[in-house]
Amino acid sequence: NAGVTQTPKFRILKIGQSMTLQCTQDMNHNYMYWYRQDPGMGLKLIYYSVGAGITDKGEVPNGYNVSRSTTEDFPLRLELAAPSQTSVYFCASSNAWDRSSYEQYFGPGTRLTVT
Amino acid sequence: DAKTTQPPSMDCAEGRAANLPCNHSTISGNEYVYWYRQIHSQGPQYIIHGLKNNETNEMASLIITEDRKSSTLILPHATLRDTAVYYCIVDTGNQFYFGTGTSLTVIP
Repeated sequence: NAGVTQTPKFRILKIGQSMTLQCTQDMNHNYMYWYRQDPGMGLKLIYYSVGAGITDKGEVPNGYNVSRSTTEDFPLRLELAAPSQTSVYFCASSNAWDRSSYEQYFGPGTRLTVT
Repeated sequence: DAKTTQPPSMDCAEGRAANLPCNHSTISGNEYVYWYRQIHSQGPQYIIHGLKNNETNEMASLIITEDRKSSTLILPHATLRDTAVYYCIVDTGNQFYFGTGTSLTVIP
């Protein structure tokens, strides 16, 4: 199993550009998540999905969009990139069928700089 | 909103036990306590979780107080590779709230 993979690893965007961060998991997990981590801070949840076709907002959803058309993929879309979106983005997945098993598996992250 | 409080940093001598405390005084009866760690800028790694009983696995032990308002993560024999930021998280259902964690430095 490759686990959770993310592409790209690094990206520099100009203000106003858009891009999609890709996330794929091969563990057949039902839950998937997107987090951002600013320097020296903990992770903040952007969006999550409890299954294909179902997404919901997390703590900091503004400026982002997601979709979940398959179990494996959960792309994160940035429209009109702003310097405040400079961050490291982590994707995670979990097999959360009950509350005793919310262990999340994280990808390696995408480091995004908006200038 | 962060629902946990952790000291910002701790040191531990190599080979000794590292005891990392966490306060979660507003925890509800069916909310689990999870511990993760993050080494450098890698993705966080799951360590252990529990509800009310103490838990142990190959990485660590988790001690939860009887009133469930605090817990302690124990790394029994810390190594240099355990230097990381450790996050204590209360599961609120679908969302995890990561605070700023405890930066543990293992000293040779």
